Amino acid sequence: LAKTTQPISMDSYEGQEVNITCSHNNIATNDYITWYQQFPSQGPRFIIQGYKTKVTNEVASLFIPADRKSSTLSLPRVSLSDTAVYYCLVGPRGYSSASKIIFGSGTRLSIRP
Amino acid sequence: DVKVTQSSRYLVKRTGEKVFLECVQDMDHENMFWYRQDPGLGLRLIYFSYDVKMKEKGDIPEGYSVSREKKERFSLILESASTNQTSMYLCASSSYKRGADTGELFFGEGSRLTVL
Repeated sequence: LAKTTQPISMDSYEGQEVNITCSHNNIATNDYITWYQQFPSQGPRFIIQGYKTKVTNEVASLFIPADRKSSTLSLPRVSLSDTAVYYCLVGPRGYSSASKIIFGSGTRLSIRP
Repeated sequence: DVKVTQSSRYLVKRTGEKVFLECVQDMDHENMFWYRQDPGLGLRLIYFSYDVKMKEKGDIPEGYSVSREKKERFSLILESASTNQTSMYLCASSSYKRGADTGELFFGEGSRLTVL
């Protein structure tokens, strides 16, 4: 199972772009990279998923280099409401694959006015 | 709007009590999961179920059991609660349609259990 390493915490200011990098050196060929966001006293929420290159949705962008050993979640123009814990997960997709996905400790992002 | 509902947001129980945590999802998902979340340890998988009456152990099943009699409902049971089971418990569900789905996990809001 691919283990991920991400910073424990990050600070930024409103209006800035925030990039959170995750390392996954032993990612497997059939693994996808998925990011979740968790607010206090709530369950995690899916943000974005990718396999290679770049993926963008209405919330974030995900950049994955060719070797796929790392990935970067990019949050454009953050606001106070983006203060949360962000988890990087690596694992296969499939009907029972979610059982193989490991949540690490995540990155605690704090946004200041 | 898709929903995973956990029956209790906050519970306080005494050591040795039997505790039931209920989870219901309205998305017709095949997979359901129970995690616990503790500071500094992230989310750890307790049990999961990929079909009615099917269950498999996760990473930390000791002291827990589960029941899935209906597709929409997945219960976590603490047969004899202990203080080290004080935690936030999160239920999740997911589905996978071959070639189409992300396998996204949908979480409930959590049940914070305190065992005295």
